[in-house]
Amino acid sequence: AQSVTQLGSHVSVSEGALVLLRCNYSSSVPPYLFWYVQYPNQGLQLLLKYTSAATLVKGINGFEAEFKKSETSFHLTKPSAHMSDAAEYFCAVWGGSNYKLTFGKGTLLTVNP
Amino acid sequence: GAVVSQHPSRVICKSGTSVKIECRSLDFQATTMFWYRQFPKQSLMLMATSNEGSKATYEQGVEKDKFLINHASLTLSTLTVTSAHPEDSSFYICSARTGQGLNTEAFFGQGTRLTVV
Repeated sequence: AQSVTQLGSHVSVSEGALVLLRCNYSSSVPPYLFWYVQYPNQGLQLLLKYTSAATLVKGINGFEAEFKKSETSFHLTKPSAHMSDAAEYFCAVWGGSNYKLTFGKGTLLTVNP
Repeated sequence: GAVVSQHPSRVICKSGTSVKIECRSLDFQATTMFWYRQFPKQSLMLMATSNEGSKATYEQGVEKDKFLINHASLTLSTLTVTSAHPEDSSFYICSARTGQGLNTEAFFGQGTRLTVV
């Protein structure tokens, strides 16, 4: 079975500061990992995904994440936060042949001016 | 990226009535569609997985007779909440999967806010 744990339900940063959202995974098979963003009352938009190619994955809107097998982590970062980054972020893992995504509990990112 | 259209975006219904939510993949054929439920300030909970032309596979604890899923074509899946009650009020999100293996990707609809009064 696969699972992800997002550390911190709420992260607050200042505009221009580094964004770091943490995600640790548990998987019995090589995982495929995803980060999604959700704006209020909307669906999810894929930021980036790791599918066993490069361990450093670059996504949209300046976000990137690094897969670290030794730490079972897939933290999401962005060098400089923008006001428009304020949203809910979900880490997800997909494992096995059933193609089901298992989501973390989410981290709400607020960006202060 | 591919577009998944979910309709309606908001619906208010009376207790005891049924509500149908549609999920369409507009520019691709979806191998599989998923239905999720999201409670306020919580994560997405997978309700069921549906493949075109076959019965949906429901997650443990999800009532099949209450949440009817029909996947009539490769571009359309519907979720019907039957005999709705206030506790069914929630945000429902569909997702459509495309591709195979490493190229598979899930695209999400914009969600439906259901309020049962």
